[in-house]
Amino acid sequence: DAMVIQNPRYQVTQFGKPVTLSCSQTLNHNVMYWYQQKSSQAPKLLFHYYDKDFNNEADTPDNFQSRRPNTSFCFLDIRSPGLGDAAMYLCATSRGPDQQFFGPGTRLTVL
Amino acid sequence: DQQVKQNSPSLSVQEGRISILNCDYTNSMFDYFLWYKKYPAEGPTFLISISSIKDKNEDGRFTVFLNKSAKHLSLHIVPSQPGDSAVYFCAARNIFGGATNKLIFGTGTLLAVQP
Repeated sequence: DAMVIQNPRYQVTQFGKPVTLSCSQTLNHNVMYWYQQKSSQAPKLLFHYYDKDFNNEADTPDNFQSRRPNTSFCFLDIRSPGLGDAAMYLCATSRGPDQQFFGPGTRLTVL
Repeated sequence: DQQVKQNSPSLSVQEGRISILNCDYTNSMFDYFLWYKKYPAEGPTFLISISSIKDKNEDGRFTVFLNKSAKHLSLHIVPSQPGDSAVYFCAARNIFGGATNKLIFGTGTLLAVQP
């Protein structure tokens, strides 16, 4: 089945230790998104790629970076995780402005 | 500044009855609205949408109503089933979103359908 896959599903890291979250898709969608969702809050868009073009949201901290080496894969790098970065990270894809398809998310814990 | 608001964190309904989930928005530049459903340990899945040029869209047991003058939309589920128990997110797209589908989400409403 075509889908959006996120690895790992659960990630534990130490304060200040860099961490990378992975997203892959078999939908061949040209747009990929990363959202951060904290408990009881709305998913918040961090950035998105339109093909290879990177689009950062104005309020996304510099601590968050992303890479998209090809159509299928997109990575979220957190350079120095703080306690406030503990959250669910959701990856989504779309074909242009069409509806978004979400992965199951990665739950990040920062100790 | 929360542009999409879901003021009810939770809702409990009896099986077979109607579930009404509400959503308010503040940005008049939103042109498209969506509802997503999320089960625990899964990502949100698209449920139903409505364009700002319409006031109603129906898909089986699910109907979304849009009141532009009130900047309010609602999702009706009739009849409600236990399998509908999930978190429901309202989302909106800005007309200036360009070629992508950047969405602004609400905080979600947890629906519990009691058998």
